[in-house]
Amino acid sequence: GQQVMQIPQYQHVQEGEDFTTYCNSSTTLSNIQWYKQRPGGHPVFLIQLVKSGEVKKQKRLTFQFGEAKKNSSLHITATQTTDVGTYFCAGPYFGNEKLTFGTGTRLTIIP
Amino acid sequence: DAGITQSPRHKVTETGTPVTLRCHQTENHRYMYWYRQDPGHGLRLIHYSYGVKDTDKGEVSDGYSVSRSKTEDFLLTLESATSSQTSVYFCAIGTGGINEKLFFGSGTQLSVL
Repeated sequence: GQQVMQIPQYQHVQEGEDFTTYCNSSTTLSNIQWYKQRPGGHPVFLIQLVKSGEVKKQKRLTFQFGEAKKNSSLHITATQTTDVGTYFCAGPYFGNEKLTFGTGTRLTIIP
Repeated sequence: DAGITQSPRHKVTETGTPVTLRCHQTENHRYMYWYRQDPGHGLRLIHYSYGVKDTDKGEVSDGYSVSRSKTEDFLLTLESATSSQTSVYFCAIGTGGINEKLFFGSGTQLSVL
């Protein structure tokens, strides 16, 4: 079946260090979305990328969509305690509009 | 946050009992979804609805049924709860389409003993 894997599953970083999570799909995605879930909270939409090779930035966050539209990454520069949470990628497969979510990367920050 | 309310927020029940979770929206979105969240699996789609009385299965639909009699309400029913259905359940709403983004409710923590 269609699968979206994320690595790493967990990441512990010192405050101020950079963080990257990678999202890999078994098949081509029509777009990729990223969501953030704070501890005890619910997923919240961050961004959507649609074009092959697209790069978008939100302050310290940089999102990339791969050329083959099968992978994506989220990079956070100089992490802060507010970045704590689990980051999910999600994408609809061509021919199926429903989102398939990645397994998530849980980020913890060591002050 | 979008107007989505899930009830109850927490529930403990026994194996074999029926359980119904409710999702209520005030956004008039056509699409509504039920996901379950488990460690190592991310969010997995159980069922979704694309209109009143229009529903379809997701990837983990076995043991679950849904109903949508009004645009604003989407019910998830576990006919006979099992311990494997212990999970956090999230309702989400969306406008549909290939570029749809989802808005999630606060979730229901369900424990089946």
